Amino acid sequence: EVQLVESGGGLVQPGRSLKLSCVASGFTFSNYGMNWIRQAPGKGLEWVAYISSGSSYIYYAETVKGRFTISRDNAKNTLYLQMTSLRSEDTALYYCARRRGGLDYWGQGVMVTVSS
Amino acid sequence: NTVMTQSPTSMFTSVGDRVTMSCKASQNVGINVGWYQQKTGQSPKRLIYWASNRDTGVPDRFTGSGSGTDFTLTISNMQAEDPAIYYCLQHNSYPYTFGAGTKLELK
Repeated sequence: EVQLVESGGGLVQPGRSLKLSCVASGFTFSNYGMNWIRQAPGKGLEWVAYISSGSSYIYYAETVKGRFTISRDNAKNTLYLQMTSLRSEDTALYYCARRRGGLDYWGQGVMVTVSS
Repeated sequence: NTVMTQSPTSMFTSVGDRVTMSCKASQNVGINVGWYQQKTGQSPKRLIYWASNRDTGVPDRFTGSGSGTDFTLTISNMQAEDPAIYYCLQHNSYPYTFGAGTKLELK
């Protein structure tokens, strides 16, 4: 069974940093590109970042480019999102999702709240 | 970037109704569109991939169609468990973009 479990969220002050993790199981993690998607409270879905299976290709939404860094450790079956210079508008539920025919499997999400 | 425009924004239906919702892409995305169902407090669940392919376990009352710029999700026989927000996603190119969603509620 495919499982994606995010962690690392919490309350953080504006301008500070936070690192999210997504641990994958039930499939060969190293064979798949992975994505981060976020959802602000009461709002729709926003794609954030993508990393290919071997980390050769990386893309970011314009809203996070230069502040967020996506990475992965295939030996640990783990996807990361390093978030710096956080803003109030980054407050959201962050999901990781596997790339296959779009986004096939999603985690349960982890909440990030940026507030002083 | 490709803009995905969903309509209607919301709709009220009854059990047994046929429901149709639309998603229009601002440029040709081929068949690289998926439909997602998000119930309150849950993660999005993919229902349809490549515009018209039903995911495993998805009831056959859900049907996707379209190509190019115009896509449709149809629920042939609305059930009590189907109220949710439905999103379309274009995955033809990055940045992936979602529609704003159609909120489906029971009368």
